Amino acid sequence: GENVEQHPSTLSVQEGDSAVIKCTYSDSASNYFPWYKQELGKGPQLIIDIRSNVGEKKDQRIAVTLNKTAKHFSLHITETQPEDSAVYFCAASKPGGSYIPTFGRGTSLIVHP
Amino acid sequence: ETGVTQSPTHLIKTRGQQVTLRCSSQSGHNTVSWYQQALGQGPQFIFQYYREEENGRGNFPPRFSGLQFPNYSSELNVNALELDDSALYLCASSPTSGDNEQFFGPGTRLTVL
Repeated sequence: GENVEQHPSTLSVQEGDSAVIKCTYSDSASNYFPWYKQELGKGPQLIIDIRSNVGEKKDQRIAVTLNKTAKHFSLHITETQPEDSAVYFCAASKPGGSYIPTFGRGTSLIVHP
Repeated sequence: ETGVTQSPTHLIKTRGQQVTLRCSSQSGHNTVSWYQQALGQGPQFIFQYYREEENGRGNFPPRFSGLQFPNYSSELNVNALELDDSALYLCASSPTSGDNEQFFGPGTRLTVL
């Protein structure tokens, strides 16, 4: 089955700095790569996603890049703010009738004011 | 529009007991997925229900079972609880089975002693 590795497990940055979280996946059939943000006491929330026919996608301060050949994708957050502090998860899924994502183990992002 | 709700928020059980967790899907959504999130890990897919039928299952034993009702709310049942079942159980609803955008509830924290 699919295996998703995520690094780093913890990332500490100063407010205003950029943050980068990296993931690799094992199954070349995977074609959809979402990123979720999970705040304390809440369920994960989709923040951005990318499909395998696109190399990069940006939404304000957040961007995601995908390298299909290397089977890795990354989340980039620019101008970090304290409210960006949370656990971020990457995931990968294959096409099919059901959406069944495989999640990474998460990155705890801490933004110091 | 009401979001995904789950009950109870916390639950303590002893090994060998049975537990039922409940989820109300977001209005207009006919698909519910259940995930197990152990401490410090990413969510792991348990199963998905689409229009009252199981529509995909992860690598969980048969003692994990589910149900979806005509109003698309759902239950997760776990029999013969084991210590390793201690986790946050997340429910996510989506407009349809293949839809990538899932809306997560806040989860039920289950502790097995």
